[in-house]
Amino acid sequence: DIQMTQSPSSLSASVGDRVTITCRASQSISSYLNWYQQKPGKAPKLLIYVASNLQSGVPSRFSGSGSGTDFALTISSLQPEDFATYYCQQSYNTPRTFGQGTKVEIK
Amino acid sequence: EVQLLESGGGLVQPGGSLRLSCEASGFTFSNYAINWVRQAPGKGLEWVSGISNDGDSTYYADSVKGRFTISRDNSKNTLHLQMNSLRAEDTAVYYCAKDVLKGGPNWFDSWGQGTLVTVFS
Repeated sequence: DIQMTQSPSSLSASVGDRVTITCRASQSISSYLNWYQQKPGKAPKLLIYVASNLQSGVPSRFSGSGSGTDFALTISSLQPEDFATYYCQQSYNTPRTFGQGTKVEIK
Repeated sequence: EVQLLESGGGLVQPGGSLRLSCEASGFTFSNYAINWVRQAPGKGLEWVSGISNDGDSTYYADSVKGRFTISRDNSKNTLHLQMNSLRAEDTAVYYCAKDVLKGGPNWFDSWGQGTLVTVFS
């Protein structure tokens, strides 16, 4: 199975900050990397697919980059509604696997 | 608007069985693969199982292979997960997640609200 490792596991940031979360795969997954946002008590929401494609309706302050084994999710200017947990997920092979999550908290 | 509504969760003893259902609306159900993803209390996401749009191909995580069976009824826009030989580690919220393609699993663009399964002794 492909292991997905996110860093950091949590971070504290202020509104307006630029935030970057990284995700590393245990082997190359080309660009088959997706990002989700989850708020407490809610279902996950797709943000980015295939490394850098913004899902319809997602604000442009979210962006994704990377290929091979190293990927990043960047929020250019953190907004109050962005405080949540973020997960990466590989769709290169089965079983699909997720990172352990990165919790973004208010500083 | 895509809607996915899970049901069938509850309390069950180890070794017991449950059948989860997911009723879909707002899209052409038979055109997309569908998946189950679970989340144990306070933990991260774990993909559990997926099924192709026509039901001919099914996929399972090793942790549930041989115990869980995924199926779908395209005439009723419904997905099922038959869970047998349940273990304490199967305790989780189970989400139904729509795939973006016919085959699958790939990535998941719509999710239900989840149904809680608790396995206790």
